[in-house]
Amino acid sequence: EAAVTQSPRNKVAVTGGKVTLSCNQTNNHNNMYWYRQDTGHGLRLIHYSYGAGSTEKGDIPDGYKASRPSQENFSLILELATPSQTSVYFCASGDRGHQDTQYFGPGTRLLVL
Amino acid sequence: GEQVEQRPPHLSVREGDSAVITCTYTDPNSYYFFWYKQEPGASLQLLMKVFSSTEINEGQGFTVLLNKKDKRLSLNLTAAHPGDSAAYFCAVSSSNTNKVVFGTGTRLQVLP
Repeated sequence: EAAVTQSPRNKVAVTGGKVTLSCNQTNNHNNMYWYRQDTGHGLRLIHYSYGAGSTEKGDIPDGYKASRPSQENFSLILELATPSQTSVYFCASGDRGHQDTQYFGPGTRLLVL
Repeated sequence: GEQVEQRPPHLSVREGDSAVITCTYTDPNSYYFFWYKQEPGASLQLLMKVFSSTEINEGQGFTVLLNKKDKRLSLNLTAAHPGDSAAYFCAVSSSNTNKVVFGTGTRLQVLP
């Protein structure tokens, strides 16, 4: 059973539209993370959360919002999608913060036209 | 903040050869280090987690070396095989931030 799942797996959006990427984890981990992966940049942290109700800005939060309504769910929201947000997005969960292994979801491929 | 540089971005070796991927980092307070493997079209999977007190870490078919003086972390694949073809990412965490910083990745191709 996959412990971190993401939906949708693929998404095509139009410029200016709203996009919501969802992540669910069954690891019962406190921490969850959203990254984007682009060639030449590796993984860059967008937002993260320490638990239900908490969201923190990562290294590249501009243009993104996050929501953590429960221990299991962490969403990434693009209110006004732009072509520069075309990327592969990974969600991850971890138990004890920066010293712990992160467990990644399968990724969401987003294309903004 | 922490900066992690990973080299080379692309690496092609023959089956049975060794492959070495290196990351350098800047924060001397870094003390947890990770190597992740990402097979084509798949997600990242942990290869090894290293604590700063251990300089040599043996895995199945690979060795991770940590040189704290030079702030360098390396992944050495011995006798690479086609199943090792993947992207590899190092990641570094420190006590000063509550985040992990990833390297830019190395795409390894092992040719038969």
